[in-house]
Amino acid sequence: DTAVSQTPKYLVTQMGNDKSIKCEQNLGHDTMYWYKQDSKKFLKIMFSYNNKELIINETVPNRFSPKSPDKAHLNLHINSLELGDSAVYFCASSRGAETTEAFFGQGTRLTVV
Amino acid sequence: SQQGEEDPQALSIQEGENATMNCSYKTSINNLQWYRQNSGRGLVHLILIRSNEREKHSGRLRVTLDTSKKSSSLLITASRAADTASYFCATHSSAGNKLTFGGGTRVLVKP
Repeated sequence: DTAVSQTPKYLVTQMGNDKSIKCEQNLGHDTMYWYKQDSKKFLKIMFSYNNKELIINETVPNRFSPKSPDKAHLNLHINSLELGDSAVYFCASSRGAETTEAFFGQGTRLTVV
Repeated sequence: SQQGEEDPQALSIQEGENATMNCSYKTSINNLQWYRQNSGRGLVHLILIRSNEREKHSGRLRVTLDTSKKSSSLLITASRAADTASYFCATHSSAGNKLTFGGGTRVLVKP
């Protein structure tokens, strides 16, 4: 069973389009995250949700809107995609917001053309 | 700049050799974690060391933490080709509930 699953794995789309990436975790964790990994492999946190409530928003453009319908899901919607949005996006979860290890999904490689 | 910064950025060794990589950070932390990322995959947690610990072992992994120098090291002993991956340190800061990652060390273990 996949602990943290995100779909799709690959996403190629044109500039200006709107797209969503879905994430689900079956670990019963309270906290979920979205990270962006750029071409140089730097991982930067974008959002963190604890029990469906936003707790971290790291100065991400408001074209990015996370949605958490329940604590097992954290989806990422991106409006008006730009070339600079091309990256690998990782969803992750942890038992709580403090101290514990994070479990990562396999990533979604987004390419904006 | 990144909270955690790994050094070196890349490392190439022969199977059987040890691999050592370092991580430096800037702010006070609750704990520091090391993760591995295989090419095209997600990150996998390896080991967590708390701010009041100095050394931790897990199998062939040895992690040290020096909070006075704000640095950590990861040692992989008797490396195998399967250890080829990128290794990231991540700090959990005292303020703000998030993990902050460095840029990673790419390790190539040649058979």
